[in-house]
Amino acid sequence: EVQLLESGGGLVRSGGSLRLSCEASGFTFSNYAMNWVRQAPGKGLEWVSGVTGNGVSTSDADSVRGRFTISRDNSRNTLYLQMNSLGAEDTAVYYCARRNYWGALDIWGQGTMVTVSS
Amino acid sequence: EIVLTQSPGTLSLSPGARATLSCRASQSVSNNYLAWYQQKPGQAPRLLIYAASSRATGIPDRFSGSGSGTDFTLTISRLEPEDFAVYYCQRYAPTPYTFGQGTKLEIK
Repeated sequence: EVQLLESGGGLVRSGGSLRLSCEASGFTFSNYAMNWVRQAPGKGLEWVSGVTGNGVSTSDADSVRGRFTISRDNSRNTLYLQMNSLGAEDTAVYYCARRNYWGALDIWGQGTMVTVSS
Repeated sequence: EIVLTQSPGTLSLSPGARATLSCRASQSVSNNYLAWYQQKPGQAPRLLIYAASSRATGIPDRFSGSGSGTDFTLTISRLEPEDFAVYYCQRYAPTPYTFGQGTKLEIK
């Protein structure tokens, strides 16, 4: 079964750091670009970051550029999101998602909640 | 940066009715790189449509997408009880992969 499982969320103080992980199974992880998408409580979806299958190229939303770093370890079938200088505006459920051949996000994890307190 | 505007914000319909959801882009979406997702409370989004009109694997044929350029539509031909949810459109190339603000489809 194709599956993504996020972990690493939790409560962190403003200005702090957190690293999220997303473990993939059921498909050849290195063949797919991967992304992080977040959703603040009661709000819509916001794309955060993306990385190519080989991990060489990354892209970030303006709202997180310079603070968040996406990476992957294809030997461990795992995607990461290193989040630094966290603020209240980063409070959200963070989803990892697989980018399919056509570019859309076809497989999503169940999400992990990040809460930033002041 | 391209902005996607979805309308209406909320759509109230009865089961069996036809639903038409709109997604308008502030600039032309190249190569029709436009997707639609469904999200139910407490769940992750689910891909319905990609490339503006292609159904994702396992999606019932009552869901259809159309449009090009700046105007796109998701149509649900006959609403089933499980279709009541929030729907998002998304431009998925190039970055940033912008989402619309969502349309909530509720039971009338």
